Amino acid sequence: DARVTQTPRHKVTEMGQEVTMRCQPILGHNTVFWYRQTMMQGLELLAYFRNRAPLDDSGMPKDRFSAEMPDATLATLKIQPSEPRDSAVYFCASGPRSGTGGAGELFFGEGSRLTVL
Amino acid sequence: AQSVAQPEDQVNVAEGNPLTVKCTYSVSGNPYLFWYVQYPNRGLQFLLKYITGDNLVKGSYGFEAEFNKSQTSFHLKKPSALVSDSALYFCAVRDGGNTPLVFGKGTRLSVIA
Repeated sequence: DARVTQTPRHKVTEMGQEVTMRCQPILGHNTVFWYRQTMMQGLELLAYFRNRAPLDDSGMPKDRFSAEMPDATLATLKIQPSEPRDSAVYFCASGPRSGTGGAGELFFGEGSRLTVL
Repeated sequence: AQSVAQPEDQVNVAEGNPLTVKCTYSVSGNPYLFWYVQYPNRGLQFLLKYITGDNLVKGSYGFEAEFNKSQTSFHLKKPSALVSDSALYFCAVRDGGNTPLVFGKGTRLSVIA
């Protein structure tokens, strides 16, 4: 049963600490997305990759957030230093190659719930 | 730029009654429309999508959605609600290509026994 795997599922940390979230996309998917979910803002796109190349990270605070895909099986989202306002659920999603361009749905991981004290 | 509006934060319906969760969209080109469901402490699960063709799309768990181009709407429907349908529902759109999905704010559906 193919699925997107995210770690950690829960993370509690103190302000100023570095946080790294990891995502293993579904094998064969060539697009990876990072979304953040909060009560106030709903689902916000932070960054996305196609064939491991970053296409758009305009949704991320550049001074503290970074997203990378070191290889096709791993995407990372790093926050350094973390702040209380970063507390949210962070979702990774992957999408298949699509011959019709954009018709494929995204598959989401279970999310990483981050609490910054 | 594309956008999605879900006008209702909360929808309450009695078990066995039909349900509708509303969604309107705005895109510059042809819309690709999606519905997802999120149960507590879980990720989003795909329900159904409209790409082209028949305006009535059937999906998982007995849900369906109707694409209405003139009203730019893609409302989610189910003929008979179950208590287990209680969850957060998201409508999403992209305007073609492999661009990111843009999500609505979500609508919380509560089905009361």
